[in-house]
This record gives sequence, structure tokens and C-alpha cells, in this order.
Amino acid sequence: AQKVTQAQTEISVVEKEDVTLDCVYETRDTTYYLFWYKQPPSGELVFLIRRNSFDEQNEISGRYSWNFQKSTSSFNFTITASQVVDSAVYFCALSEASGGGADGLTFGKGTHLIIQP
Amino acid sequence: GAGVSQSPRYKVAKRGQDVALRCDPISGHVSLFWYQQALGQGPEFLTYFQNEAQLDKSGLPSDRFFAERPEGSVSTLKIQRTQQEDSAVYLCASSLAVTSFSNQPQHFGDGTRLSIL
Repeated sequence: AQKVTQAQTEISVVEKEDVTLDCVYETRDTTYYLFWYKQPPSGELVFLIRRNSFDEQNEISGRYSWNFQKSTSSFNFTITASQVVDSAVYFCALSEASGGGADGLTFGKGTHLIIQP
Repeated sequence: GAGVSQSPRYKVAKRGQDVALRCDPISGHVSLFWYQQALGQGPEFLTYFQNEAQLDKSGLPSDRFFAERPEGSVSTLKIQRTQQEDSAVYLCASSLAVTSFSNQPQHFGDGTRLSIL
């Protein structure tokens, strides 16, 4: 069965520090997608990035970067030069081709990121 | 509006009452998902619609939960004889994807926070 583990429940850093959020996933499928979502206090889940299982290229978007490593089943997310507005709960999620019996996304429990000024 | 709209934003009900939660997806989105998010947890999949067809309801926790999307656009999640453990945020998401497995991101609404007294 599919599973997403975000071992860091809460991370607190001072503004301008770099911070990495860890995500480890489990799946029996060879075809799957991985996602990161941001959930600010307002509650809406905001899509950040998707990555398919055949593309292990790392990606950078502004201050955000993602490191996908199939060998360790990890899809980590780094924020460079963090800002107070980055404070939110961040979720990693998995979508499998077979669905594992469910068609929706499988989410981790989330990492609460606190950026202190 | 351009995003997924959910109503009501907050709902308080007494144990045993029936409730109905509404989701208005992004126009033209074929796929619609419902998730349940308990406090401090990641969203958990409840059910999936492709247009008006409910293709997966494996995540619904009991037969007290019922969802419909009769015309392939607006969806309603109904909970009968509510219990305290039903208290959670209920999130709706829609996607351009024509199947549940896709690299198309799911776009989420702000959710309905349900409290059962």
C-alpha cells in the first residue's frame, strides 16, 4: 500500500535561513506522481510542484528547490533564504497509477514550518 | 470566482443531526475529490467523481457518508446522524484530469470546518 512519511512535525528557523522539509514515500508502482502543497492558516491547499516517477531531475523555482531521489524514495523540499510568509504547513503527496484501491492523493501528515522574524 | 468554492465555511451541528456540505469546482474540471482532514493531520481521501459518476468511494468511513454530483458540476457531501468523530475540515478539490491518476494538480477549496457538539 502507498504511504507518505514526513518525519518532521514542526520546524522553526529564523528568517533568511535555509530549511529542508523531508518526504519519504512507499509505493509498489513504477509509475506515480509526487506533489508538494502548502497550507497557510487560511486553510486552502496551494499546489507547489509535481514530479513524475520517470523524471529525477531536480527543480528550482525561485527560492524553492526540490530533490527527487528514487534510490532512497525521497522527495525533499528546500526553501532558501526563508521569509516569514513561508510560514505554513507543507504536505507531500503521492498519486499512484494503480490507485492502491483509492483514486485520490495520499498525503503525509505535514510539516509545520515556522519562520521567525 | 476562479477557484474551488466550498460552503459553508464553518458548520456547527449537534450530534445526531444531518449536514450537507457544498462544493463548486472550477468550471470545466472533470474530476472532483472530497477529503477529510482531522486536526493536525494530512487530508485523507473520501471519494472521487468523474463528471457525474462516482467512481471511487472507498474512503468514505461509513454508510452515514454520502456524496453526489448529479449534473457533473456542483457536488454535495452529506453526513447523516453526525457523531463527534466526524468533526474535521472537509476539503473539496477539482482537476482538469479525465482520470483520477494524472499529473494534473488538484486545486483545493478553503474547506468546511465541521464541529459536532
